[in-house]
Amino acid sequence: QVQLVQSGAEVKKPGSAVKVSCKASGDIFTSHTISWVRQAPGQGLEWMGRIIPTLNVANYAPTFQGRVTITAAKSTNTAYMELSSLRSDDTAVYYCAGGVGFGDESWGQGTLVTVSS
Amino acid sequence: EIVLTQSPGTLSLSPGERATLSCRASQSLTSNYLAWYQQKVGQAPRLLIYGASSRATGIPDRFSGSGSGTDFTLTISRLEPEDFAVYYCQQYGRSLYIFGQGTKLEMK
Repeated sequence: QVQLVQSGAEVKKPGSAVKVSCKASGDIFTSHTISWVRQAPGQGLEWMGRIIPTLNVANYAPTFQGRVTITAAKSTNTAYMELSSLRSDDTAVYYCAGGVGFGDESWGQGTLVTVSS
Repeated sequence: EIVLTQSPGTLSLSPGERATLSCRASQSLTSNYLAWYQQKVGQAPRLLIYGASSRATGIPDRFSGSGSGTDFTLTISRLEPEDFAVYYCQQYGRSLYIFGQGTKLEMK
């Protein structure tokens, strides 16, 4: 099973941006897609978007369209999620997850992003 | 946009009992691309079932998935203490990978 290791916790001001990384343990980008999912405190899972690294194509949930950018660097097996115009309700744990088209079997450990003035 | 509705919101059962969780889609799902995840407090989700009925690697056979079209079920045949968690369904057959709102399975 692939291991995904995410960057550390972040504290951001409202209106700023955050960029979270997700490094894979092997050369998975030829076979896997990477999704980003967030979970606000005490809430459910919210899918944000995903990228197909081999095609360098990303698609996003309408809720985040225009505010989120998902990229992948195949040379370093690292995916990134950047969320801009942060608000207090963006405070959440952000997960990356990888799969080969049959659900996401590999998950990162999660990155807590706190938005506070 | 597809909406997934899970029921019940909370299910209270005892170890050894059978659990039946429901996930209903607002539109028929492409090729039954429906997954189930388990999430325990403070942990990342874990994939249990994909393709509506196929168990993921390492998942015990007490977990089973069924259904097609718009109605799907996750069944846990005999609850173990470690099965008490929150369960989510997710459709992944179209460009938007929507999650249901979750069912909390709690110990009675």
